Amino acid sequence: QVQLQESGPGLVKPSETLSLTCTVSGASISSYYWTWIRQSPGKGLEWIGYMYYTGSGNYNPALKSRVTISVDTSKKQFSLKLSSVTAADTAVYYCAREGGGGGVFDYWSQGTLVTVSS
Amino acid sequence: EIVLTQSPDFQSVTPKEKVTITCRASQSIGSSLHWYQQKPDQSPKLLIKYASQSFSGVPSRFSGSGSGTDFTLTINSLEAEDAATYYCHQSSSLPQTFGQGTKVEIK
Repeated sequence: QVQLQESGPGLVKPSETLSLTCTVSGASISSYYWTWIRQSPGKGLEWIGYMYYTGSGNYNPALKSRVTISVDTSKKQFSLKLSSVTAADTAVYYCAREGGGGGVFDYWSQGTLVTVSS
Repeated sequence: EIVLTQSPDFQSVTPKEKVTITCRASQSIGSSLHWYQQKPDQSPKLLIKYASQSFSGVPSRFSGSGSGTDFTLTINSLEAEDAATYYCHQSSSLPQTFGQGTKVEIK
């Protein structure tokens, strides 16, 4: 079955770059859009952006200047980089597959808490 | 940005009761509205896609309806395992957005 597993540091210092990787199993990474979503108590669920393996994708305008999502087909992974983080970026980060006919997040990772603090 | 407003924010319900959650969009989104269930310390799980299509494996007591700006998630005959927070999500236009959530508690 489809499984997504994130990896990356749980603590990031202010002004540094948050980096997470999501490893995909049970699905072709070349056949779907891959998405990052975050959840914080203050802002609820927030879509960060999605990317296709060809490099076609889109980001939330609120984060666009700081976000990069990339797909590595050889490793069956996709990654999130969020630069210049502040405490407001503290959240549970999820990776997800956009499938189900498009525009639907049909499989999610378990989520990883990233805290921004010195 | 399309704003999704759910109501109510919280609902306390007895087992076997019917639950209705609504999601209103700030502009028309056709049927590009999806529902998720999130239990404590778990990731959201897809229940309903495109307003009324059940996702694979979802119990038949969950159903969705609506189009345009007004949508409804219905849980017929609530079970104890349905205690969770429910979110709507629109994929009609970018940025994709979510409702604020409706927490369903079992009495």
